Amino acid sequence: EVQLVESGGGLVQPGGSLQLSCAASGFTFSDSSIHWVRQASGKGLEWVGHMRSKVNNYATSYAASVKGRFTISRDDSKNTAYLQMNSLKTEDTALYYCTRRLVSCGGDCYAFDYWGQGTLVTVSS
Amino acid sequence: SSEVTQDPAVSVALGQTVRITCQGDSLRSYYVSWYQQKPGQAPVLVIYGKNNRPSGIPDRFSGSSSGNTASLTITGAQAEDEADYYCNSRDSSGNHLVFGGGTKLTVL
Repeated sequence: EVQLVESGGGLVQPGGSLQLSCAASGFTFSDSSIHWVRQASGKGLEWVGHMRSKVNNYATSYAASVKGRFTISRDDSKNTAYLQMNSLKTEDTALYYCTRRLVSCGGDCYAFDYWGQGTLVTVSS
Repeated sequence: SSEVTQDPAVSVALGQTVRITCQGDSLRSYYVSWYQQKPGQAPVLVIYGKNNRPSGIPDRFSGSSSGNTASLTITGAQAEDEADYYCNSRDSSGNHLVFGGGTKLTVL
């Protein structure tokens, strides 16, 4: 059974840092592109960024709203992805999901087939 | 602001057909995927690619696209289909992903 489990959320002051983890199981993690998506309370989904697999040189891409502040990494030996969040702002307050790109959806198709349950990040003084 | 836009809310009578749309210039080049999200739950993929349904998604869900508009159609809407629906695709640069703002579907 495919599972993605996020952890590491919590309360942090503006300007602070936090690292989220996404522990994966039930599939070949090293072959997968892992994304982070966030959702502020009562709001829509916002793509945060992703890291591709080793065969794709672990390439990363980030939304403009987090570029330069957030960093995605992964440890394939631990089947875990990370989201390092620095210089946090109140507007970063959200539920953060990790999700996996559907492998069979390539090229002009992009989809996320499995999602974790999310970890809540609250940025407040 | 999002590069793909959705109507904020749509309603449908029980058993009737409803279409939820997603518009954006990037949709001329890339397929959209659709997600259903119920309160307190993670999103669930319901349609991807040209018109593909993951295992377990009822066949009353279908997708289509024309020009800069993609549509999710629910034929014979059920009470359990009441949820928020989001579209997702690449942005115009192709380097990033974007979600539409979401459509709240009410089944009357």
